[in-house]
Amino acid sequence: EPEVTQTPSHQVTQMGQEVILRCVPISNHLYFYWYRQILGQKVEFLVSFYNNEISEKSEIFDDQFSVERPDGSNFTLKIRSTKLEDSAMYFCASNPMGLNYNEQFFGPGTRLTVL
Amino acid sequence: AQTVTQSQPEMSVQEAETVTLSCTYDTSESDYYLFWYKQPPSRQMILVIRQEAYKQQNATENRFSVNFQKAAKSFSLKISDSQLGDAAMYFCAYRSPTSGTYKYIFGTGTRLKVLA
Repeated sequence: EPEVTQTPSHQVTQMGQEVILRCVPISNHLYFYWYRQILGQKVEFLVSFYNNEISEKSEIFDDQFSVERPDGSNFTLKIRSTKLEDSAMYFCASNPMGLNYNEQFFGPGTRLTVL
Repeated sequence: AQTVTQSQPEMSVQEAETVTLSCTYDTSESDYYLFWYKQPPSRQMILVIRQEAYKQQNATENRFSVNFQKAAKSFSLKISDSQLGDAAMYFCAYRSPTSGTYKYIFGTGTRLKVLA
């Protein structure tokens, strides 16, 4: 069964460094998402992406964040200059288009640790 | 804005027993979707069960069922005949019908432990 995959599973970085988190959504899906979960807190929506552009973003998704689908299979989240508070689990998700397809399929997450 | 609350950070259940995980939400919308996702350790979240708000009948999937109380804005998950493999984090999620991006709003999760 097709799955969403994410790499790396754990990323450790120094404050101020750039990181790129990678996701491979399910191939025939059209909507893509990034969520994050700070330890012990709720899973929060960051951004959704459709038709090669951002369709919605939360207030968390500021100028330090960007997303890209560079080659039709990967979906990346870039954080330009990481802060300590960016330490969290980052989940990628995808779903097909259409009201009948309201289920999102999630990847296993990338744990980002900013030192 | 919609919010989702899971008031039980952790629950324990004896194997073969029944457990209920609670979820409440706040919304002014009348039509929406609710979900329970399971996240085993170091694994991705997988859908356990979904409920469309316009359906009065509670959703059921094998040993998993929900008690959907629309007026009370409550959406609890009942796991019957609990198995060791049910041990995981369980997340309740809300999806607005007016969000063209189908984004989810999650609760903080409930960690379920199953005791042998």
